[in-house]
Amino acid sequence: SQQGEEDPQALSIQEGENATMNCSYKTSINNLQWYRQNSGRGLVHLILIRSNEREKHSGRLRVTLDTSKKSSSLLITASRAADTASYFCATWGAGGTSYGKLTFGQGTILTVHP
Amino acid sequence: DAGVIQSPRHEVTEMGQEVTLRCKPISGHNSLFWYRQTMMRGLELLIYFNNNVPIDDSGMPEDRFSAKMPNASFSTLKIQPSEPRDSAVYFCASSLALGQLNTDTQYFGPGTRLTVL
Repeated sequence: SQQGEEDPQALSIQEGENATMNCSYKTSINNLQWYRQNSGRGLVHLILIRSNEREKHSGRLRVTLDTSKKSSSLLITASRAADTASYFCATWGAGGTSYGKLTFGQGTILTVHP
Repeated sequence: DAGVIQSPRHEVTEMGQEVTLRCKPISGHNSLFWYRQTMMRGLELLIYFNNNVPIDDSGMPEDRFSAKMPNASFSTLKIQPSEPRDSAVYFCASSLALGQLNTDTQYFGPGTRLTVL
């Protein structure tokens, strides 16, 4: 089963609105990363947050991490039509069968309407 | 930089045939990863190499799958014989891996869409 589970599975918003995606995971992690995948393309790294960090910003992206709840959120502010893509969280395992590898969630499909 | 290059971009083959997927990582990157993406199972790590040496192949589904990295600029993923359930998009990714592997950004190729009839 996937280490990371995103919520919601699909999100549809209007341009200019904020988009929030959540990710939950099961085992201990070293870090959590968010990737974007445009249709028919490979994944592109967006941001990494370490297990000892609680919040991180990069441009219009804000990521939070709550290790006690084993969850993370990705906020995209002032969304644009070009943000339309699938967004995946990925955890770098710190133990168990996920140790030493990046495990991806199922992704959230974001559609931003112009 | 050209990024990670994968070939072919699309492959359609018949069950039982051998399939070879190719990957050229970004020059200077020391780690290479093979992933498989399906609707049912999402994105799964199959195998990864560090300095051309396979480090973890626990994600390789079965003996029909094999991967090699003969040098720093080339890797192959082979399926023999192929089956319809192998139909998926196969991604190759590379990372610099100068320091701790777990903090390195992975750069993905465009993928190979494999259809096994």
